Amino acid sequence: AQSVTQLDSHVSVSEGTPVLLRCNYSSSYSPSLFWYVQHPNKGLQLLLKYTSAATLVKGINGFEAEFKKSETSFHLTKPSAHMSDAAEYFCVVSTWGGFQKLVFGTGTRLLVSP
Amino acid sequence: KAGVTQTPRYLIKTRGQQVTLSCSPISGHRSVSWYQQTPGQGLQFLFEYFSETQRNKGNFPGRFSGRQFSNSRSEMNVSTLELGDSALYLCASSFGEGANEQFFGPGTRLTVL
Repeated sequence: AQSVTQLDSHVSVSEGTPVLLRCNYSSSYSPSLFWYVQHPNKGLQLLLKYTSAATLVKGINGFEAEFKKSETSFHLTKPSAHMSDAAEYFCVVSTWGGFQKLVFGTGTRLLVSP
Repeated sequence: KAGVTQTPRYLIKTRGQQVTLSCSPISGHRSVSWYQQTPGQGLQFLFEYFSETQRNKGNFPGRFSGRQFSNSRSEMNVSTLELGDSALYLCASSFGEGANEQFFGPGTRLTVL
């Protein structure tokens, strides 16, 4: 069975400092992995995706993530946080078995202070 | 290209009523999935439709149903509403073949009184 574990429910950073949101996955097959962001009272927006090409994936708004098979991790990073980055972030694993099955992590709330 | 649209954005209903939510996918997308999001349970998969057929269903009671039309637009229906059905209902579309990213709409906020 596929699953993702987001290791932190809340992360607090100061504006201008690096961001690290941690995600570990479990998958029997080569997974497709995604990070989505959700701002308050909004839908989910795709930040980036990994689909077995380059292990370092660049996304929108300066975010990137590195797929590490040996560690079963897909952590999300950003060199310098901005106030507008404050939101909830979801790590997602996707598999295909005749239909797509998305499994969401529990989310990490990122707080950015001035 | 227009994104996923959901109507209405907000709904207030009372217990026992029924409700229908609508979702229009991105042009060319044939798969539509529905999710329920609540503070306690997080994001939970409801069902997925592809070419008017339900391909996958989550663990929800039969009060939750859906359908997809030939133009890929989808509706979900909840009958005999309960207080616990208050949630943000999100619709997502994708091409429908392979483990591709899904594109989400803004959601419908349902409040059951």
